[in-house]
Amino acid sequence: SQQGEEDPQALSIQEGENATMNCSYKTSINNLQWYRQNSGRGLVHLILIRSNEREKHSGRLRVTLDTSKKSSSLLITASRAADTASYFCATLNDYKLSFGAGTTVTVRA
Amino acid sequence: SAVISQKPSRDICQRGTSLTIQCQVDSQVTMMFWYRQQPGQSLTLIATANQGSEATYESGFVIDKFPISRPNLTFSTLTVSNMSPEDSSIYLCSVLTPMAGDGNTQYFGPGTRLTVL
Repeated sequence: SQQGEEDPQALSIQEGENATMNCSYKTSINNLQWYRQNSGRGLVHLILIRSNEREKHSGRLRVTLDTSKKSSSLLITASRAADTASYFCATLNDYKLSFGAGTTVTVRA
Repeated sequence: SAVISQKPSRDICQRGTSLTIQCQVDSQVTMMFWYRQQPGQSLTLIATANQGSEATYESGFVIDKFPISRPNLTFSTLTVSNMSPEDSSIYLCSVLTPMAGDGNTQYFGPGTRLTVL
């Protein structure tokens, strides 16, 4: 079942700009993960942040986690047209993933 | 990471019929999962499929509607039975895989897009 919410629901930015999206969740977690989905296809795993971590980087991606607020953010820097996709956060508790509602990002050339 | 394939990639079916979706992984995994993604929605877990035992279904999903097989550690099937237009969704399988130093994560197949007329 969906555990949390993401905002914004949709985001439109110019190529080269940064995109930030937020995720909130409700229960304790083992880790939080971000996935990307292009045009209703399979999900691509982007980055994982453990519950005892506060920030993590991977290439142009930066993820933060605030367990006291039960929230996370994903920042994509220097966006490209190929970043156009839906982005989902998912929390792992035991072995089950619970997904947020997702943020649809459109990067305009 | 694991490489996962699904068959078929898409299908259009008539109401009242059934469709079996296959999921193949390139390595042995203990836990496999089946998700549904309704149009414009997020993913919802249908069931967890472990080899050698019956699948565990989430609330709102029943075995009669979504029978699952898990004959070995690299393969699983999900059947969508007695389909109605409300079953039109993308169905995705995933596997639980440990990430070195990071805990567990799930890798997803490319999905099966099902349209029921």
